[in-house]
Amino acid sequence: SQQGEEDPQALSIQEGENATMNCSYKTSINNLQWYRQNSGRGLVHLILIRSNEREKHSGRLRVTLDTSKKSSSLLITASRAADTASYFCATRGNTGANSKLTFGKGITLSVRP
Amino acid sequence: NAGVTQTPKFRVLKTGQSMTLLCAQDMNHEYMYWYRQDPGMGLRLIHYSVGEGTTAKGEVPDGYNVSRLKKQNFLLGLESAAPSQTSVYFCASRLAGGNTDTQYFGPGTRLTVL
Repeated sequence: SQQGEEDPQALSIQEGENATMNCSYKTSINNLQWYRQNSGRGLVHLILIRSNEREKHSGRLRVTLDTSKKSSSLLITASRAADTASYFCATRGNTGANSKLTFGKGITLSVRP
Repeated sequence: NAGVTQTPKFRVLKTGQSMTLLCAQDMNHEYMYWYRQDPGMGLRLIHYSVGEGTTAKGEVPDGYNVSRLKKQNFLLGLESAAPSQTSVYFCASRLAGGNTDTQYFGPGTRLTVL
C-alpha cells in the first residue's frame, strides 16, 4: 500500500508562477524525500527533510514538514518550463536500519511557457 | 562515473518466456533496489538487497527472482513472463547508513509482455 499520497494529481501553471505540491502520509517517518521524474527517465532526488526538521531550502525549492499533520509540501518558486515533470514524495519509516522508501503516485506538473 | 545503468532499455516478450534485467552501479553502494512503475500506481518495490549475497522481498515480489552475486550488480529475473508484468522497471542504489538515504535511479527498462 502507498504511504505517501500527493495532491493535486496534476498541476498546470504559467512560467514564473510558484508551484505548490502536497504529500500526506499515514505512519511515523524517519525522513521524507521528494524526487523528480522527467518523461521517459529515471527519478532524480531533489531534497530530503528529516522528521525533526520543519523546513528546508535548496535553490528554488522549499520543503516543509508537519509531523503532527503527517504532511509535507514542496514549493517551486519562479517556475520554468524545464520544471515540467512528475514529482514524487517518498517516506522512510522508523522501523529497522534497512527501512525502505515508500513512494506516492506522483504529481504531474506542467509549466506553460 | 556512469552511476546506475540498466540493460536492456526495451524488451518485448511473449507470455511464458523468461528474461533477466541487469542493473549495474559504479558508486560502491551497498543497497540496491528493483521497482516497477505502472500508470497511476507510482513506484512499487519488487525486491531489494542490502549487500552482496543478500536479497529480500519488497511489496510485489511474486513472479520475480533476484540475485546479488557481486556488489555492483543486481539482477532481476522473470522465469515465466505474464502480461501483468508489462511495466517500466527501475533499479536504484544507495549507500548504507542512516544519513545517506538518497536513492540513485537508473534510466529504466520498458518491458512489454504479449
